[in-house]
Amino acid sequence: GEDVEQSLFLSVREGDSSVINCTYTDSSSTYLYWYKQEPGAGLQLLTYIFSNMDMKQDQRLTVLLNKKDKHLSLRIADTQTGDSAIYFCAGPSGAGSYQLTFGKGTKLSVIP
Amino acid sequence: ETGVTQSPTHLIKTRGQQVTLRCSSQSGHNTVSWYQQALGQGPQFIFQYYREEENGRGNFPPRFSGLQFPNYSSELNVNALELDDSALYLCASSLGVGRSSYEQYFGPGTRLTVT
Repeated sequence: GEDVEQSLFLSVREGDSSVINCTYTDSSSTYLYWYKQEPGAGLQLLTYIFSNMDMKQDQRLTVLLNKKDKHLSLRIADTQTGDSAIYFCAGPSGAGSYQLTFGKGTKLSVIP
Repeated sequence: ETGVTQSPTHLIKTRGQQVTLRCSSQSGHNTVSWYQQALGQGPQFIFQYYREEENGRGNFPPRFSGLQFPNYSSELNVNALELDDSALYLCASSLGVGRSSYEQYFGPGTRLTVT
C-alpha cells in the first residue's frame, strides 16, 4: 500500500512563496492530491495531478511531480495569511484503489 | 449545488456505547467514503460505499459498519466505543468509481469524543 511522508511545519512571511513537500512510496499511483484543512474544518480539495504530468499550475498553486524520486511538491505564490492551514498530500492505496492514503499534514504558518 | 453535509457536528459518548454518524453526499455523487482523523494525524480510510454496496475497507475492526441509502446518503455506525475512537470523522463523496472517484469532496466532519 501507499505510504506518504510530509514535513510537519513550515513558516513563511506574507508575500513570500511557500513550498510544501511530500514523498510517496507507491509508483503505481495514478493521481496525487493536495488538500487544505483549516482549524475545525473538513478537507478542501486544492488540486491534483495525474501521474503522466510533471507540473500543473492553477492560479497561485503550482504542483511539481518527480516520479523518479516519488516526490511531490506544492508551491503557493504570494502567500497570504488566509493560506495558514494544514496541507495534506494524498495518494490512492495501490493501482485502481479508491481509498486515499494521507500524510500527517504540513502546518503552514504565515507571518504578517 | 449542495456540498457534503454531516451530522451531528459534535458528539460525546461513553465507552461501550454505540454511535451513528450521518452524511449527505454532494448533489449528483453516488459514492461515499468515510475517514477517521485522530488529533494531529492525517485521515485514515475506513470504508467506501458505491450504490449501496461496500466497495473497499481499510484496517478497521467489524464494530465499524456502514450503510448507504438509495438517495446515496450514508451512515457510519460504531459499536462498543473505545477511548481511541475519539476523533474527527470525515465523510467524502465522489462520482462513480474509477478515475472520477478520485475527486473526493469532504464534509466538515463530526467530532466524536469518547469518555
